Amino acid sequence: AQSVTQLGSHVSVSEGALVLLRCNYSSSVPPYLFWYVQYPNQGLQLLLKYTTGATLVKGINGFEAEFKKSETSFHLTKPSAHMSDAAEYFCAVTPQGFQKLVFGTGTRLLVSP
Amino acid sequence: NAGVTQTPKFQVLKTGQSMTLQCAQDMNHNSMYWYRQDPGMGLRLIYYSASEGTTDKGEVPNGYNVSRLNKREFSLRLESAAPSQTSVYFCATLLADNTGELFFGEGSRLTVL
Repeated sequence: AQSVTQLGSHVSVSEGALVLLRCNYSSSVPPYLFWYVQYPNQGLQLLLKYTTGATLVKGINGFEAEFKKSETSFHLTKPSAHMSDAAEYFCAVTPQGFQKLVFGTGTRLLVSP
Repeated sequence: NAGVTQTPKFQVLKTGQSMTLQCAQDMNHNSMYWYRQDPGMGLRLIYYSASEGTTDKGEVPNGYNVSRLNKREFSLRLESAAPSQTSVYFCATLLADNTGELFFGEGSRLTVL
């Protein structure tokens, strides 16, 4: 079975600071990994994904994530936070060739001036 | 604009009442999903449909029924609403088989009194 653990339900940073949102996964087979973002009162949008190939993946709005198999991690980073990055972020996993995503519990990013 | 449309966006029910949440997509995707989102619990899969005429249970199917009458539409029905079903419900479609990338509607906020 697949599962995702997101450490920290809330993360607070100052504008311009590094953003680091943590995600660890459990999967019995090679996984596909995703980060989705949810802005207030909206549905989720895909931020970035890892399927195969390069382990460092870049997404929209300057975010990137690195797949580390040895650490079963897929942490999301951004060098410099903007106020507009304030949102809830969800990590998700699905085994390759399978259709159902399993989501983490989400991390709310708060950005202060 | 292409996408996933959910109706209604807001609904208040009394315990025991029934209602149907509608979802329609115009992206010609095969697979459709219903998730519920609750604070601190992330998104949990209720039901999904891999193709027209087929449906399968997800993680939390109790108290719900679904119907996939055609490729475009996937409805979620609450036969006898309970306060525990107060939640935000999201419909989603799968971009392509075996990629795990989902497109989400904007959500339907349901309150059961």
